[in-house]
Amino acid sequence: DQQVKQNSPSLSVQEGRISILNCDYTNSMFDYFLWYKKYPAEGPTFLISISSIKDKNEDGRFTVFLNKSAKHLSLHIVPSQPGDSAVYFCAASAGGTSYGKLTFGQGTILTVHP
Amino acid sequence: DGGITQSPKYLFRKEGQNVTLSCEQNLNHDAMYWYRQDPGQGLRLIYYSQIVNDFQKGDIAEGYSVSREKKESFPLTVTSAQKNPTAFYLCASSIDRVGANVLTFGAGSRLTVL
Repeated sequence: DQQVKQNSPSLSVQEGRISILNCDYTNSMFDYFLWYKKYPAEGPTFLISISSIKDKNEDGRFTVFLNKSAKHLSLHIVPSQPGDSAVYFCAASAGGTSYGKLTFGQGTILTVHP
Repeated sequence: DGGITQSPKYLFRKEGQNVTLSCEQNLNHDAMYWYRQDPGQGLRLIYYSQIVNDFQKGDIAEGYSVSREKKESFPLTVTSAQKNPTAFYLCASSIDRVGANVLTFGAGSRLTVL
């Protein structure tokens, strides 16, 4: 039962354009969402997060949007840079005493071409 | 310089052997986690510990064991009962309190069964 899904295995964009990575979830108990970036043979690094009480959170070039009714979130990267090329995972937490337990999506490989 | 150290980075094991992956953190985090990553799949939770001398099974605990004798250390043993142990293993830690959903990951250990 995949509770967090990233339906696009890969995404290719041109440098300077917008990258949009999508994530869907099924568990209505999820109340906190995160995006992680991962390079090969390295651990994921935290990128940006959003609480379910918000619908948007920005940090520099990165913006996360949350649509609770659709159980959908997206990560926008503007402008995209070649160094952004990596695997992006979305993750969700159900709060309560399980706030540290994250459920991850399958990941989307982003390639930004110069 | 605080962080999480995983060792070894690469490990080869013959079928039927138990192996132990090390995870040490100097972030003074209360909670520690073990995740497994397989190609095309998201990270899946094996075990987690929110306090010393206590740990909980995650989604795929079968064939694995852990201990938490010290706050800084959370070793994972992959036993011969694990049917498909070849994977990339990631250790993580976090502050254990409400709202602390961000995990800090180590660089990972790649286990290959020959």
